[in-house]
Amino acid sequence: GAGVSQSPSNKVTEKGKDVELRCDPISGHTALYWYRQSLGQGLEFLIYFQGNSAPDKSGLPSDRFSAERTGGSVSTLTIQRTQQEDSAVYLCASSLTVGPGHQPQHFGDGTRLSIL
Amino acid sequence: GENVEQHPSTLSVQEGDSAVIKCTYSDSASNYFPWYKQELGKGPQLIIDIRSNVGEKKDQRIAVTLNKTAKHFSLHITETQPEDSAVYFCAASNTNAGKSTFGDGTTLTVKP
Repeated sequence: GAGVSQSPSNKVTEKGKDVELRCDPISGHTALYWYRQSLGQGLEFLIYFQGNSAPDKSGLPSDRFSAERTGGSVSTLTIQRTQQEDSAVYLCASSLTVGPGHQPQHFGDGTRLSIL
Repeated sequence: GENVEQHPSTLSVQEGDSAVIKCTYSDSASNYFPWYKQELGKGPQLIIDIRSNVGEKKDQRIAVTLNKTAKHFSLHITETQPEDSAVYFCAASNTNAGKSTFGDGTTLTVKP
């Protein structure tokens, strides 16, 4: 079946522009997660959704970052007034739900964001 | 919050040898510990996971052990093959809290 789909796969933009990254989770998965991976580094948690609600957005680096999820499916991560330090791979994952027995997260291949 | 440390950062082995990667965590409430393999240009792929009520789990050439008292867990790969070469990440989470905390990764190179 289809896995987690992210678009675009690559994005190059100028400093100061806004960008939108999209994530399509696996069908039926109610939990959705956003992570950021800088070059050669581990994954940094940004935010997760259970349905359309975001119980934990503690990882968002600043108020330039926001995310939403509508219809319990597709999610968009928006970065306003991009800075060079925002350059990274943004990874999305989904899982069946949050809670015992349903933790395995399935990742997309990410969006590689480069800020010039 | 949770903190996960992973060692070594790089590991090189000969084909057929075993590889061991170790992680420690800080939050005693963590109860789920997955391991992911990430190939170049791809997202992480789950290879094995273990829950806090289990001490060891094995899947063919891959095994994971967990010591809750010491708060550490390890990935063991036996009979390594060149296609095992990748970056491996450990993670820890509380299954009721949603997010996972990841280690910084281990780059495994298996030499033919």
